[in-house]
Amino acid sequence: GENVEQHPSTLSVQEGDSAVIKCTYSDSASNYFPWYKQELGKRPQLIIDIRSNVGEKKDQRIAVTLNKTAKHFSLHITETQPEDSAVYFCAARVTGGGNKLTFGTGTQLKVEL
Amino acid sequence: ETGVTQTPRHLVMGMTNKKSLKCEQHLGHNAMYWYKQSAKKPLELMFVYNFKEQTENNSVPSRFSPECPNSSHLFLHLHTLQPEDSALYLCASSQEMSNTEAFFGQGTRLTVV
Repeated sequence: GENVEQHPSTLSVQEGDSAVIKCTYSDSASNYFPWYKQELGKRPQLIIDIRSNVGEKKDQRIAVTLNKTAKHFSLHITETQPEDSAVYFCAARVTGGGNKLTFGTGTQLKVEL
Repeated sequence: ETGVTQTPRHLVMGMTNKKSLKCEQHLGHNAMYWYKQSAKKPLELMFVYNFKEQTENNSVPSRFSPECPNSSHLFLHLHTLQPEDSALYLCASSQEMSNTEAFFGQGTRLTVV
């Protein structure tokens, strides 16, 4: 089955700096890669996703890149703000493959003033 | 409100008790999931249901018994749990055969004493 690895497990940056979180996946048939943000005590919520037919997607300060050959994808947050502090999860899914969404182990991002 | 509702929000139960967690979605989705979130294994997939049929059982102990009577409702029946089963149990739903996000409920914080 699919295995998703995520690094780093914790990340501390200064406000205004950029943050990068990286994930790798094992199943080459995976074709959908969402990123979720989970604030303390709240549910995970989608912040951005990318499908296998594109290599990069951007939404304001958030961008995701996908390298299908290397089977890795990354989340980039620019101009970080304190409200970006949360746990971020990457995930991978094979459409039609039982619809299973496999998550990485999460990255605790802390944006310091 | 994302359209996925879980009850109860908090549950404390003894090891000999029987309890059930409920999840309900009003998004018209046809796939539903149970995830376990703990410090040791964040967002660990337990069960997947597609069109009311169980398509994934991720080696979950039999003391956890899922039930999906229709595409809108998902239950997790609990019996003779162990203290290590204490965790946040998250329900999610998505649309099968579609590269769209999974929506999460708020979760049930379970404590086994």
